[in-house]
Amino acid sequence: DSGVTQTPKHLITATGQRVTLRCSPRSGDLSVYWYQQSLDQGLQFLIQYYNGEERAKGNILERFSAQQFPDLHSELNLSSLELGDSALYFCASSVGEHHGNTIYFGEGSWLTVV
Amino acid sequence: AQKVTQAQTEISVVEKEDVTLDCVYETRDTTYYLFWYKQPPSGELVFLIRRNSFDEHNEISGRYSWNFQKSTSSFNFTITASQVVDSAVYFCALSEGGNTGFQKLVFGTGTRLLVSP
Repeated sequence: DSGVTQTPKHLITATGQRVTLRCSPRSGDLSVYWYQQSLDQGLQFLIQYYNGEERAKGNILERFSAQQFPDLHSELNLSSLELGDSALYFCASSVGEHHGNTIYFGEGSWLTVV
Repeated sequence: AQKVTQAQTEISVVEKEDVTLDCVYETRDTTYYLFWYKQPPSGELVFLIRRNSFDEHNEISGRYSWNFQKSTSSFNFTITASQVVDSAVYFCALSEGGNTGFQKLVFGTGTRLLVSP
């Protein structure tokens, strides 16, 4: 158990819908990351937050947005869902913001868009 | 650009065999960090090891060992006396970010290890 908690674990929704994935980082960790794992793209970095502020963006679609709240939990919002958004979405956390921190991943949220 | 190559897509071994998973990376940074993660069939990503570019000594943890060679830009992972529970996809990753206050992991495509009894 990495200490990173993600909900829901599984989600099935229809195209065009909107979903919210939630993440609680490990106790004491200030950085939160979101990654997407799909069959065609592999593991891709989406976004990083540190203590409530956005730190870096990867290949995150404009239909996706995220935020980190004052209690450090984070949410990833996916809207106007398409079949291609079906993937495993990971939240991860680390103590600091700089590279070199060990990043611990949650169990992931399986999203299926039908 | 940062890049991680795991050329072995899938490896099948019989229990108790030793197996080495290859990882080759590309970076222009002088300071960088390398990671290995394990993804069992249940799907979670499990952290195994982090290594910085200044630390070239080999690491051993139980049946796991890692060989970091800057000269060949490789960070290979060996499992000794493999067990069925080692069956998983293993990812090598390179940390990108420098000192600018962010961190991204660039992952390889993974190597699926199947250990049969």
